[in-house]
Amino acid sequence: QKEVEQNSGPLSVPEGAIASLNCTYSDRGSQSFFWYRQYSGKSPELIMFIYSNGDKEDGRFTAQLNKASQYVSLLIRDSQPSDSATYLCAVGRGGADGLTFGKGTHLIIQP
Amino acid sequence: NAGVMQNPRHLVRRRGQEARLRCSPMKGHSHVYWYRQLPEEGLKFMVYLQKENIIDESGMPKERFSAEFPKEGPSILRIQQVVRGDSAAYFCASSPTGQGNSPLHFGNGTRLTVT
Repeated sequence: QKEVEQNSGPLSVPEGAIASLNCTYSDRGSQSFFWYRQYSGKSPELIMFIYSNGDKEDGRFTAQLNKASQYVSLLIRDSQPSDSATYLCAVGRGGADGLTFGKGTHLIIQP
Repeated sequence: NAGVMQNPRHLVRRRGQEARLRCSPMKGHSHVYWYRQLPEEGLKFMVYLQKENIIDESGMPKERFSAEFPKEGPSILRIQQVVRGDSAAYFCASSPTGQGNSPLHFGNGTRLTVT
């Protein structure tokens, strides 16, 4: 059973601070890791993906992957109210599988 | 618009009726995934299709649910004899390769309400 776990939140962060979102996964065969942002009533939007251990930076976003600990995180620097959304962690095995999603973390950026 | 197109955006059905949800993948994508999302829940994988083939339907209920992706036209998710528990948002996503390391691009979803 492939599982992806996230703290549901809400996670409240002051504007301008760093928001840290965490995700653990159970399948050691996982090879690809994705972060999606979903606004209420909207569809998931791809934010970042990472395949190798370490950090990957894209603008204000940094994805961090530690395969030994089966842990992936997303950092959002200089948080803005528009970052308030649910962040979904998704994991793939690299084969012809669909991605397995966590339930998401609800992030609130306080002005 | 080159994105994933889903229609209808909202669908209301009475119990026992049939629901048909349509999805056209992004241009150049031939791999389609259907996910279901209940309120306050994550996305649950239902089925993965390529043109004219069902690759993985392990997440789809065995009864009342079916999916197809014909050679021509959109992918269709069909729910027969709907029940209230089928009320959810149904998202379609497409991928260029179908490999698990390829990002999925989602459509806007179909919100199904069963009354």
